[in-house]
Amino acid sequence: AQSVTQLDSQVPVFEEAPVELRCNYSSSVSVYLFWYVQYPNQGLQLLLKYLSGSTLVKGINGFEAEFNKSQTSFHLRKPSVHISDTAEYFCALEKTSYDKVIFGPGTSLSVIP
Amino acid sequence: EPEVTQTPSHQVTQMGQEVILRCVPISNHLYFYWYRQILGQKVEFLVSFYNNEISEKSEIFDDQFSVERPDGSNFTLKIRSTKLEDSAMYFCASSTGTENEKLFFGSGTQLSVL
Repeated sequence: AQSVTQLDSQVPVFEEAPVELRCNYSSSVSVYLFWYVQYPNQGLQLLLKYLSGSTLVKGINGFEAEFNKSQTSFHLRKPSVHISDTAEYFCALEKTSYDKVIFGPGTSLSVIP
Repeated sequence: EPEVTQTPSHQVTQMGQEVILRCVPISNHLYFYWYRQILGQKVEFLVSFYNNEISEKSEIFDDQFSVERPDGSNFTLKIRSTKLEDSAMYFCASSTGTENEKLFFGSGTQLSVL
């Protein structure tokens, strides 16, 4: 069975500071990895995805994530956050392109002015 | 960008009542899904649907739940007799199923069971 762990439930960070949101996964097979963002009272928006190839994946809004197979991690980073980045961030995986998506518990990012 | 549309955005119902949540997936998509998110918790998979039948369902998706694609454009989730613990945000999603295409989520229906 696959699972996703997000070690930090809440991450406060000052505006323009860098941030890293941590994600670890468990799977006996190769998986696709994703980061989704959920702004307050909105649906889920895909930030970025890792299918294969380069381990550094760039997404929307200046976010990037690095896939590390040996550490089974897929941490999300942004070098300088804005107030508008305040949201819930979910790491997720799926086995194939049409399989169910398994979500982590989420990390609430609060950007402090 | 194409969108998955969900209606209504909010639904309030009495315990024991039937509810139908509606979704219009993207027109050329073949795989359809329902997820739910109880307040403050993670997003959980409910069911996937392909070729007019359920392809996978979770433990949450018991006999009280059913899905249907009645007319080739809508995709519905029915809860036969709602319970208090069914209160959640329900997300519909669809995809083409091909590797480089993403899963599109709707904006959700907030179901409140009183």
